[in-house]
Amino acid sequence: GIQVEQSPPDLILQEGANSTLRCNFSDSVNNLQWFHQNPWGQLINLFYIPSGTKQNGRLSATTVATERYSLLYISSSQTTDSGVYFCAVANSGNTPLVFGKGTRLSVIA
Amino acid sequence: DAGVTQSPTHLIKTRGQQVTLRCSPISGHKSVSWYQQVLGQGPQFIFQYYEKEERGRGNFPDRFSARQFPNYSSELNVNALLLGDSALYLCASSQSGVTNEKLFFGSGTQLSVL
Repeated sequence: GIQVEQSPPDLILQEGANSTLRCNFSDSVNNLQWFHQNPWGQLINLFYIPSGTKQNGRLSATTVATERYSLLYISSSQTTDSGVYFCAVANSGNTPLVFGKGTRLSVIA
Repeated sequence: DAGVTQSPTHLIKTRGQQVTLRCSPISGHKSVSWYQQVLGQGPQFIFQYYEKEERGRGNFPDRFSARQFPNYSSELNVNALLLGDSALYLCASSQSGVTNEKLFFGSGTQLSVL
């Protein structure tokens, strides 16, 4: 099945700093989503982005499908950005989302 | 509108017991998926249901079963619990369950098996 690798596994930032999280995948995809898991365990859908670029406030994401990677940018980080960020992908056919192992982000005041 | 709701939020069971977890999807969504997340890992797919039919099943033993009701809510059952079944169980809903669709997750049920 499709493989998903996320980097870095852990990231510690000072409040106000910017960061880039990366997601590499092993096959073509027709679905790619970024999630933020908060300390209470809920997965919040950040972006549905199988290709192209999207922005939502301080967050933006870019997927280069032909090169099989996606990037999540967080600007002017805040302590509330802390948590685990997951990339999840699915390829053609009736296949479920496959998640990476996540990037654990800690933003320090 | 309410999001995806799951119950209970926490559950403690002993080895060998059986457990039932419940999920109500977002209003208008007809597909429900179940995921298991063990500590330190990403969620892993267990089942997907659409219009009460099983559409997909992950690599889990037959002790795991699920069903979807006419109102699109769903139950996940796990029999003969093992210590390794301790995990966060997440339910996700989507409109029609096709591959290229956005998923919305509930807050999960934290299951501890002692």
